[in-house]
Amino acid sequence: AQKVTQAQTEISVVEKEDVTLDCVYETRDTTYYLFWYKQPPSGELVFLIRRNSFDEQNEISGRYSWNFQKSTSSFNFTITASQVVDSAVYFCALSEHSDDKIIFGKGTRLHILP
Amino acid sequence: GAGVSQSPRYKVAKRGQDVALRCDPISGHVSLFWYQQALGQGPEFLTYFQNEAQLDKSGLPSDRFFAERPEGSVSTLKIQRTQQEDSAVYLCASSAQDRGMNTEAFFGQGTRLTVV
Repeated sequence: AQKVTQAQTEISVVEKEDVTLDCVYETRDTTYYLFWYKQPPSGELVFLIRRNSFDEQNEISGRYSWNFQKSTSSFNFTITASQVVDSAVYFCALSEHSDDKIIFGKGTRLHILP
Repeated sequence: GAGVSQSPRYKVAKRGQDVALRCDPISGHVSLFWYQQALGQGPEFLTYFQNEAQLDKSGLPSDRFFAERPEGSVSTLKIQRTQQEDSAVYLCASSAQDRGMNTEAFFGQGTRLTVV
């Protein structure tokens, strides 16, 4: 069965600090996809990244970076030099190639304090 | 508009009342999904359409929940005889490709349903 665990329920950091959001997943498929979504107070889920299971290269996009490690079934997300606008709930998610749906973790609420 | 549009944004229903939630996906998007998000939780899958075909409804919690997409564009999620445990945000998402959520999906802002 597929499962996504985000152990950090809530994190608070001071602006400009770096912060890492943890994500651990479980799947029996060899082909799968991992996602991160951001949910600001407005409620809309904003797509951040999609990685497939064959691509373990880490990715950087501006202040955002992702560390995918199949050996530990983790897909962690780091925000560098955090800003107040980064405050939101962040969801890690998993989709197996054999299935249509995406399974979300419970989310990590991130507070960036000015 | 350019994004996924859901209406109404907020709905208050009396217990036992029927409700209908609407989703306008991005034009041309083949795949459409409904999710339920309880307070403080991650979204939970309800159902998936590929064009007008409902390919997966395994997440619908009971037979009081019904979804349709008759012309392969707009979709409606209907909840009959609402109960308090139905209170949640209902999210709709659409995706351009027919492999479903394996590709990037765009979410609407959701409909917050409160059953009193």
